[in-house]
Amino acid sequence: QQQVKQSPQSLIVQKGGISIINCAYENTAFDYFPWYQQFPGKGPALLIAIRPDVSEKKEGRFTISFNKSAKQFSLHIMDSQPGDSATYFCAASMNAGNNRKLIWGLGTSLAVNP
Amino acid sequence: NAGVTQTPKFQVLKTGQSMTLQCAQDMNHEYMSWYRQDPGMGLRLIHYSVGAGITDQGEVPNGYNVSRSTTEDFPLRLLSAAPSQTSVYFCASSFAGGSSSPLHFGNGTRLTVT
Repeated sequence: QQQVKQSPQSLIVQKGGISIINCAYENTAFDYFPWYQQFPGKGPALLIAIRPDVSEKKEGRFTISFNKSAKQFSLHIMDSQPGDSATYFCAASMNAGNNRKLIWGLGTSLAVNP
Repeated sequence: NAGVTQTPKFQVLKTGQSMTLQCAQDMNHEYMSWYRQDPGMGLRLIHYSVGAGITDQGEVPNGYNVSRSTTEDFPLRLLSAAPSQTSVYFCASSFAGGSSSPLHFGNGTRLTVT
């Protein structure tokens, strides 16, 4: 009930192409869905996030699409660039008292070929 | 602002040795946490703190101790290192413990236990 399933595990895209990473969750109590980007040797950093009352959120070339009924959400990277090569983690979060319960996907390693 | 600072960046220990991983943040964040990152396992929560003097266990707390005497610092202690504790350790902080408060990660400590 607490899993977040992320796919694919790895992805290779040509420069200028669209990168798509998918995540699925089970618990409908989750109320916040962030995506984190991690470059080699660095910690993850928040990229973009969405709440379940919104079906899409766009920030520059990055878009989250959210399907509440299917309990799925995805990250789309338009016009992918070599500088986007990184590992991407989706997560699902809910309040838990004075803390959060944050469940992470296992990550997608994205390589954008020049 | 330095953000979240972790020291050391790299450490090699022998089985049975103890050590402390340091984490400091200068953002006046109430919430701090420790994760370990292993290939194929994603990010797993070790311990967290919602404020000075308050700590609690995460998903994988065995073999680790924490304390939070100040808002700024959240050290992680390995009591008797084991090869299974070979990992990359990340400290993360956020303004509050709620579900939508973004996590700010340090750049990690890569620990090898031989």
